[in-house]
This record gives sequence, C-alpha cells and structure tokens, in this order.
Amino acid sequence: GAVVSQHPSWVICKSGTSVKIECRSLDFQATTMFWYRQFPKQSLMLMATSNEGSKATYEQGVEKDKFLINHASLTLSTLTVTSAHPEDSSFYICSVTRRPAGLTDTQYFGPGTRLTVL
Amino acid sequence: GNSVTQMEGPVTLSEEAFLTINCTYTATGYPSLFWYVQYPGEGLQLLLKATKADDKGSNKGFEATYRKETTSFHLEKGSVQVSDSAVYFCALNSNYQLIWGAGTKLIIKP
Repeated sequence: GAVVSQHPSWVICKSGTSVKIECRSLDFQATTMFWYRQFPKQSLMLMATSNEGSKATYEQGVEKDKFLINHASLTLSTLTVTSAHPEDSSFYICSVTRRPAGLTDTQYFGPGTRLTVL
Repeated sequence: GNSVTQMEGPVTLSEEAFLTINCTYTATGYPSLFWYVQYPGEGLQLLLKATKADDKGSNKGFEATYRKETTSFHLEKGSVQVSDSAVYFCALNSNYQLIWGAGTKLIIKP
C-alpha cells in the first residue's frame, strides 16, 4: 500500500510559538492532500483540502490565518499552526489521494502528529 | 446533507465471537463506502471499501456489503481476535470528500 509519512510524530511547544508539520507522500505523486484534526474519542474533522500549486480550501470554522497550509510539491504538504495555544493541542493527520480528488476514492493516511501546547 | 451513523461503542466481545458493527448513511447519488481502522497508537488504515450497490468489500476476515435499499454498510467478522481491538470508522465519499462516522471502539477480551 501507499506510504505517507508525517514529521514530527510528536511535538510539545510553548504557547505563542508556531509549529510546522510535514506530510510526505513516499510512494506516488499526490495532487491532493487533506489535513484532519482528531479530538480525543471523536472522529476526524476535515480542516482543509490542499491541491499542489494552488491555495488550500478550508472548511467552515477553520481559521486559514492560523492554520497555514503549503502544498509545495506533489509529494510534500505542510501545516503550520501559528501562535499556538493550548486549545490547539490535538492529533493532526494528513491523507493523500493518488489522483485529483473525484477520480479516485481511496485516501491514504499518515501516522499523525500529536501536538501539545503548554 | 450527507452523513454517516455508526453504532456507539465501546463494543466488548470475547475472542472468537461474531462481530457486527452497524453503519448507515445518508447521501445523494451513489457514494463509495469505506471502513477504516485505527489500532492503538497508530494512524488510520483503509480496511475495506465498496464502490457500488451490492459490492462486498473484504479484508483480514472482515466483510461489508453495500446495501443501497437499506443504506447500510455493516462491518462483520465471523471470529474476532484480541488483535482486532481498535477503533473502526465508517465513511463515505461524497463530493470528493470523506464523510466520517464517529467511530466505534472494539475491545476483544481473551
């Protein structure tokens, strides 16, 4: 199956600092990447859809100035949590699709990044 | 709107018991349906999928059949093992996004 990596797997930071999370598609070029957030005991919440070379599409209620997404290449997308606060502590997960969304149904998920903001 | 409803957990079974985790959906058109699994401390993995009515997805002894008439995609396994303990998510693909169920925690006791 596809391999998707995320880095770091776990990060602790002080309130007010920014944290960058990387998502890499190791097996294929991923035109579309998705960023999710998972709260304890809850399902995933889609934050944004990222297409290579264009601006990310954010879901309602997600602050695009706080959660900066850059899809720099077909194998790399980054999520930067700016001026992080304790309420941003969560598990962040990326996923990728083999072809542009809509042409394939399967998303392949990264292992996730646990962010703890003190 | 589109939605996915799963049975609430946790579901606790003994080893070798029969498993059913119910999943029903509401969607326009003909979505694809998925079961994802999240083992403790790991990321999500696709378990199985079905792309059209009456399709049966299967993997690792798990099965689910796409039932359009009942808008269901129940997950079943004939004999569960302790290693099946995980959280299971039902999802549908609609308008190029995945719509998720809340997840069902499965606990298998030896």
